[in-house]
Amino acid sequence: DGGITQSPKYLFRKEGQNVTLSCEQNLNHDAMYWYRQDPGQGLRLIYYSQIVNDFQKGDIAEGYSVSREKKESFPLTVTSAQKNPTAFYLCASSIEVNEQFFGPGTRLTVL
Amino acid sequence: RKEVEQDPGPFNVPEGATVAFNCTYSNSASQSFFWYRQDCRKEPKLLMSVYSSGNEDGRFTAQLNRASQYISLLIRDSKLSDSATYLCVVVRGATNKLIFGTGTLLAVQP
Repeated sequence: DGGITQSPKYLFRKEGQNVTLSCEQNLNHDAMYWYRQDPGQGLRLIYYSQIVNDFQKGDIAEGYSVSREKKESFPLTVTSAQKNPTAFYLCASSIEVNEQFFGPGTRLTVL
Repeated sequence: RKEVEQDPGPFNVPEGATVAFNCTYSNSASQSFFWYRQDCRKEPKLLMSVYSSGNEDGRFTAQLNRASQYISLLIRDSKLSDSATYLCVVVRGATNKLIFGTGTLLAVQP
């Protein structure tokens, strides 16, 4: 089955720790995206990548980092510099901008 | 002002009712528009694109009004399974970035 997987589903972190969220897709999509979703707010774009070895900052990139060494993988690191990291993180991929397919998400909680 | 604005609801409707959601956008250069559906604690899924001439998919009808900068979603004969949050999505100008509204919560009652 083709799709996008994210792991872990739930993640707990202590303040001051970096954590890396995994996103893998086997849809052969060139573009991949990371969003965060907070209660009462729409999805906000953190980083996106339109091709391997290239990525751009989204609207709220501060405190996050990404890499795109393989077409299938787009991991997101939440660093200790991110002031409010508790959120629902969603990864997506697409061939064209209108057909974004989302993974099941990771719920990150900072303790 | 937010780029994309939606009434958060909730819209509580009985089964079989017709319900409509509106969404306004601020960037007149926006070219592409979509409705996504998000179930509670799940990922968003594309429901339908919105075309200038309006489009229909079964019980769902989407319309675009460029002059007034709003899009709408009409759901006829509501089902219990339609209960979800409906996200209005606009592509920001020439950037190909999706801008999401906060969503409208629909609760269909038996």
